[in-house]
Amino acid sequence: AQTVTQSQPEMSVQEAETVTLSCTYDTSESDYYLFWYKQPPSRQMILVIRQEAYKQQNATENRFSVNFQKAAKSFSLKISDSQLGDAAMYFCAYHLNDMRFGAGTRLTVKP
Amino acid sequence: EPEVTQTPSHQVTQMGQEVILRCVPISNHLYFYWYRQILGQKVEFLVSFYNNEISEKSEIFDDQFSVERPDGSNFTLKIRSTKLEDSAMYFCASSDVAGGETDTQYFGPGTRLTVL
Repeated sequence: AQTVTQSQPEMSVQEAETVTLSCTYDTSESDYYLFWYKQPPSRQMILVIRQEAYKQQNATENRFSVNFQKAAKSFSLKISDSQLGDAAMYFCAYHLNDMRFGAGTRLTVKP
Repeated sequence: EPEVTQTPSHQVTQMGQEVILRCVPISNHLYFYWYRQILGQKVEFLVSFYNNEISEKSEIFDDQFSVERPDGSNFTLKIRSTKLEDSAMYFCASSDVAGGETDTQYFGPGTRLTVL
């Protein structure tokens, strides 16, 4: 079974600084998709970034980028120039036939 | 920008009652999903639906649950006889293709279900 592990229950970053959220997963498949979702206090699930496993190039969306290490089954999220609005729960997710989520990392941004 | 909508935003029900949670997926999407998130826990997959039938379901999705696409726009989740442990946030999501191709699921704002 595919499992997703986020080993950091909580992280904190100073405004304008950079923070990296960790995610590892377990799979025997070679083609799959990985996602980071953001869940603010409103509890809406907002897509942050996605990565296709067959692509070697790391995905980037403005201040958000990933470090995808397929062999290591690692998919970390880097947030650059952190803003107060980035404060939220961040969920890593693996998708092939169904979507499996990690337990989440609560990110606090300090002004 | 098109979005997934869900109604109601909050549903309170008595244990043993039936509830129907409603979702309107993005109009050109073909794949639909339900997830739940018990307070303070991870988001859990319930079911995926394509071409008017269930394509995948989790062990959570037992006989008490059912899904339906009654018309061209709505996608519903029914819980036949609610239990206290069904209290959770229920998210609907949709995507235009699934598994193997471009596959991004867009989530609705969720329905908070409270079972008393």
